[in-house]
Amino acid sequence: EDQVTQSPEALRLQEGESSSLNCSYTVSGLRGLFWYRQDPGKGPEFLFTLYSAGEEKEKERLKATLTKKESFLHITAPKPEDSATYLCAVRSKAAGNKLTFGGGTRVLVKP
Amino acid sequence: DTAVSQTPKYLVTQMGNDKSIKCEQNLGHDTMYWYKQDSKKFLKIMFSYNNKELIINETVPNRFSPKSPDKAHLNLHINSLELGDSAVYFCASSQGRSGGYYEQYFGPGTRLTVT
Repeated sequence: EDQVTQSPEALRLQEGESSSLNCSYTVSGLRGLFWYRQDPGKGPEFLFTLYSAGEEKEKERLKATLTKKESFLHITAPKPEDSATYLCAVRSKAAGNKLTFGGGTRVLVKP
Repeated sequence: DTAVSQTPKYLVTQMGNDKSIKCEQNLGHDTMYWYKQDSKKFLKIMFSYNNKELIINETVPNRFSPKSPDKAHLNLHINSLELGDSAVYFCASSQGRSGGYYEQYFGPGTRLTVT
């Protein structure tokens, strides 16, 4: 069964203080690792898909990387508007379209 | 334009009642999903339909019954509501039945409170 563990559970940052979020996964035949952002009271918003180890993707202050066991979401010089819960999910060959989500990392960026 | 929409946004009801949540997507996707997000914020898939065919059916009480009248709509009917059904329910959609790397797009959620 696919498993996803995110750490830390919560992260407090000062504006401009860069940091990284971790997503460790166990799957049989990775068919995509997905990062989402979720604001309070809203649905998850798609950020990135990573397909294979070594791949990197960037969007504004966010950069996602992937190895065979984990993914990192790097937040560079965060701003208060980057405050949200960041969710990681995986899909495996065996699971078809089923996404398995981690518990998320709550990020709070203080001005 | 709203890509994935759900109604209602909030639903407060008493134990034992029957209720429905509706979902519609205008992305032209052929696959839709229902997820449950509990108080600890874990998102877990419940069901998935591809072109009106049920393709994912997780271990969910049979009080929950999804229905897909067409590939743009997926409804969730819940019978005999229980306190433990209180959660946020998300609808999502994607393109592709399986084997692809297609991301899923989520609706705004329906917060269900059973009293």
